[in-house]
Amino acid sequence: QSVLTQPPSVSGAPGQRVTMSCTGSASNLGAGYNIHWYQQLPRTAPKLLIYGDTNRLSGVPDRFSASRSGATASLAITGLQTEDEADYYCQSYDSVLRGVVFGGGTRVTVL
Amino acid sequence: EVQLLESGGTLVQPGGSLRLSCSASGFTFSTYAMSWVRQAPGKGLEWVSAIGSSGGDPSYADSVKGRFTISRDNSESMLFLEMNSLRAEDTAVYFCAKENANTNPGNLNYWGQGTLVAVSS
Repeated sequence: QSVLTQPPSVSGAPGQRVTMSCTGSASNLGAGYNIHWYQQLPRTAPKLLIYGDTNRLSGVPDRFSASRSGATASLAITGLQTEDEADYYCQSYDSVLRGVVFGGGTRVTVL
Repeated sequence: EVQLLESGGTLVQPGGSLRLSCSASGFTFSTYAMSWVRQAPGKGLEWVSAIGSSGGDPSYADSVKGRFTISRDNSESMLFLEMNSLRAEDTAVYFCAKENANTNPGNLNYWGQGTLVAVSS
């Protein structure tokens, strides 16, 4: 069980909007630690997508956006495209575990 | 261009040892913390270990504490992971990643392609 909880999968048709959540607790997101989001395309290494809760990395399309409220964060993809099919992971820090923690990942499928 | 190249992954028997290396280039290695993250076959990402820019402040996931040791050689821009008492559950692709400390916690803004460690008899 991951410390940060993500839905296993979400799906949408091309052009639609999909969102995925990342839920933590008082020792990680609830404590105010930043959350980051990574995209892992099939058979490739993960890539940083969003850092510091809401900041898109340079070169990331603006159809990717993130928000956060307390111990819950969300990643949204608007205008879904086939190349967005990938696994998405959230990451933060946990003060009880004293280490970096990842969510279990959400697989985005474009129908 | 930032490049991270892992090596050292192979098939090893349970209880065995292995040393992974990560060669870094394209940035001032000695000024950035580095991490190891692994991914078991078909599974999600799991943070393994991190080390500060000068080699201090090593930290480990509970699953590897006491068995793995992270180190670095800033003169050679190399990151290492010494793995002992390996178990079947350590089987994974191991990624090295560069940390950007402009957030809390730092974010992993560059990743290598990974090296596969398989623990099996």
